[in-house]
Amino acid sequence: SQKIEQNSEALNIQEGKTATLTCNYTNYSPAYLQWYRQDPGRGPVFLLLIRENEKEKRKERLKVTFDTTLKQSLFHITASQPADSATYLCALVGGGYNKLIFGAGTRLAVHP
Amino acid sequence: EAGVTQFPSHSVIEKGQTVTLRCDPISGHDNLYWYRRVMGKEIKFLLHFVKESKQDESGMPNNRFLAERTGGTYSTLKVQPAELEDSGVYFCASSQDLSGQGGYGYTFGSGTRLTVV
Repeated sequence: SQKIEQNSEALNIQEGKTATLTCNYTNYSPAYLQWYRQDPGRGPVFLLLIRENEKEKRKERLKVTFDTTLKQSLFHITASQPADSATYLCALVGGGYNKLIFGAGTRLAVHP
Repeated sequence: EAGVTQFPSHSVIEKGQTVTLRCDPISGHDNLYWYRRVMGKEIKFLLHFVKESKQDESGMPNNRFLAERTGGTYSTLKVQPAELEDSGVYFCASSQDLSGQGGYGYTFGSGTRLTVV
């Protein structure tokens, strides 16, 4: 069956460290993958999109990698800050679908 | 520019009643999507409009749910009659291009929290 898996346990890190979140997928062949941030009581906010022919994408302190062989994307936040604390969702489209399918998200807590 | 607006932000209704949720997408966005998150689960797709046409309604749970998008502008999602399992947060999103593939992703509203008691 098709699955998108993100770490269900919260990730706790110290301010200033790099946070790394994982997104694994099964039985999809996504043309691209997206990452979103969600704060409590709000809708997801788009962060980055990476295409299947791109290995890495950066935006300010954010970096996303996409390995179609491993069927995995990694999301990194460097020099993390308490304001980065939120739930991060990966989402993908592909295989003939026209809609985003979301993972359950990983909650990140950055401690001062 | 104004974002995606959803109304109401919260709704508490009794089982068997009817509720209508509204979504105003970003002006000019042809693509409009409804998603739902029930307690502890991932955000799940309900349906997709391109302008006023339903492109994909494969995620609609059953015929108690009816979505419309009048004139390709705002959209409504009606639940009639509501059941307990319909409780959750209903999100609307819009995008300029299909599936946000142009690099701008989806823009989501803040959601409507529906509680059926």
